[in-house]
Amino acid sequence: GDSVTQMEGPVTLSEEAFLTINCTYTATGYPSLFWYVQYPGEGLQLLLKATKADDKGSNKGFEATYRKETTSFHLEKGSVQVSDSAVYFCALSDRTYKYIFGTGTRLKVLA
Amino acid sequence: EAGVTQFPSHSVIEKGQTVTLRCDPISGHDNLYWYRRVMGKEIKFLLHFVKESKQDESGMPNNRFLAERTGGTYSTLKVQPAELEDSGVYFCASSLGQGRHTQYFGPGTRLTVL
Repeated sequence: GDSVTQMEGPVTLSEEAFLTINCTYTATGYPSLFWYVQYPGEGLQLLLKATKADDKGSNKGFEATYRKETTSFHLEKGSVQVSDSAVYFCALSDRTYKYIFGTGTRLKVLA
Repeated sequence: EAGVTQFPSHSVIEKGQTVTLRCDPISGHDNLYWYRRVMGKEIKFLLHFVKESKQDESGMPNNRFLAERTGGTYSTLKVQPAELEDSGVYFCASSLGQGRHTQYFGPGTRLTVL
């Protein structure tokens, strides 16, 4: 079945460092891909999405490109801030209704 | 526009007790979903409503879980009797349609079964 694999955390970075959180997927067909973020004490928020190959989703300085050839959707940000500390979830939707999530990656950004 | 809301935010109960979680979707969203994250693992699909009808409940762990959506508005998820392994965070989401429509998630209910 479909699945999402993302790098285990926690990831600890200093402020202004470059961030990459790896995400790869297995799916039949052509899923939509998402990154959700959960800040401390809050719910899941959609960070960005991409619906077809080579699409780049971006929001709040974060970017991810839908790579069909490597079945990947890695999350990147050029300069992280303390306020980016959160848990990040990669997910896919196979155009039906179920979202399939990865296990989440906790990011800690130190001042 | 109000987002998806869930109540309570936290619940601590004893094994064998009953708990009911509530979800209010975004107004106008016919599609409502329940998910669960157990012990830091992945968030897993539980079930999907379209209006008041259960479209898919294949993710429900067992018959101790009962979900309802009377009138096609808010939904409840009842766990009876609760077991230790039911502890986790229960998320509700809603969407305008299926397929390419983005699901919007609530803040979750953290359930602890002692």
